[in-house]
Amino acid sequence: KAGVTQTPRYLIKTRGQQVTLSCSPISGHRSVSWYQQTPGQGLQFLFEYFSETQRNKGNFPGRFSGRQFSNSRSEMNVSTLELGDSALYLCASSLAGAYGTQYFGPGTRLLVL
Amino acid sequence: AQSVTQLDSQVPVFEEAPVELRCNYSSSVSVYLFWYVQYPNQGLQLLLKYLSGSTLVKGINGFEAEFNKSQTSFHLRKPSVHISDTAEYFCAVSDQETSGSRLTFGEGTQLTVNP
Repeated sequence: KAGVTQTPRYLIKTRGQQVTLSCSPISGHRSVSWYQQTPGQGLQFLFEYFSETQRNKGNFPGRFSGRQFSNSRSEMNVSTLELGDSALYLCASSLAGAYGTQYFGPGTRLLVL
Repeated sequence: AQSVTQLDSQVPVFEEAPVELRCNYSSSVSVYLFWYVQYPNQGLQLLLKYLSGSTLVKGINGFEAEFNKSQTSFHLRKPSVHISDTAEYFCAVSDQETSGSRLTFGEGTQLTVNP
């Protein structure tokens, strides 16, 4: 079975721009979660989508948003980029009701200049 | 809310020596517990998990962890490490009572295995 895939793998943007990241979950997984990883803050939960609905949300500003499509693929969008948004963005998928067990993709590394 | 504390940010060890990476957690509800490993420029790989039952959990690559409810700990151990075990290790918890998947991570422990 193919793992979680994320595109693009690397991205460079400038302050004020917006960016969209994509995540394709493992086949059959209906839950997709997003995490931000930075050296200063570590791994932080952004949000989770299940059956096209946001089910959980972390403590991030409204500039961070996401959506999920009927095939469970998910996108996250960051508007009005700030330097502090530079991070590794990880997507994880899981089966519904899988006791939190999540399988992670390789991540998208975003650099904001 | 939950929190996770990994007691050592860096653990250097020689090849073939045993290692223990320590993890304590705090939660007002029951949790599931996980250890993930991250190799450079990669995502997170699940090493092992505790959901219920036996408190000693065996995972991949020879790792095991023991859940201690009274001490709210979930320490990771390996009896003999290899150079290839050099990576960052993350302890994480998930709330048993909230629907959905949301992991709270510790700060990570960098394990460096020296020849």
